[in-house]
Amino acid sequence: NAGVTQTPKFRILKIGQSMTLQCAQDMNHNYMYWYRQDPGMGLKLIYYSVGAGITDKGEVPNGYNVSRSTTEDFPLRLELAAPSQTSVYFCASSLPRGGGENIQYFGAGTRLSVL
Amino acid sequence: TQLLEQSPQFLSIQEGENLTVYCNSSSVFSSLQWYRQEPGEGPVLLVTVVTGGEVKKLKRLTFQFGDARKDSSLHITAAQPGDTGLYLCAGANYGQNFVFGPGTRLSVLP
Repeated sequence: NAGVTQTPKFRILKIGQSMTLQCAQDMNHNYMYWYRQDPGMGLKLIYYSVGAGITDKGEVPNGYNVSRSTTEDFPLRLELAAPSQTSVYFCASSLPRGGGENIQYFGAGTRLSVL
Repeated sequence: TQLLEQSPQFLSIQEGENLTVYCNSSSVFSSLQWYRQEPGEGPVLLVTVVTGGEVKKLKRLTFQFGDARKDSSLHITAAQPGDTGLYLCAGANYGQNFVFGPGTRLSVLP
């Protein structure tokens, strides 16, 4: 039961470098999400996708890009890393059901430091 | 912009005490979820409440969704050290996305 898998678990970047955070789910969920969580805080939505080929901005999309070419994968791209992007990044997936129920399943997170 | 507020921000209690944490918004949500997050891990869903006025019980945890679907509470009876963690509420925006509150950090001392 893999669920939502995020790689890498840890990464240190220098200012201006780029990287892609990987997220894969094996539950055939059509919805996927990227959040960031700063120390001691809740989660802020970066981007989300309601299906392959469809993405939309969340609350804090600046400095990030996403793509959704398959149902399973939802990579998050940082093009020019900045210290403000130091955070823990969580990917989640869900399958909305009738009656307003939409349960999210989270990955274990990627801890990113930009120095 | 939809916002969720949680109170208290921090709570430290002795084992065996009862507690209530609150999640409030000026916006209506289609459903509301409570998560618990432990250090170094992702949030884990505790419960989803969907109907205004709904009450759900999960062992020592009781969750309530406000009649107007704008607020919720989590009550823990006889807290245990294993209840320690960050409790997050999240409002679902009619199936599209979620808004998370900042969390209540609970510490239960033995």
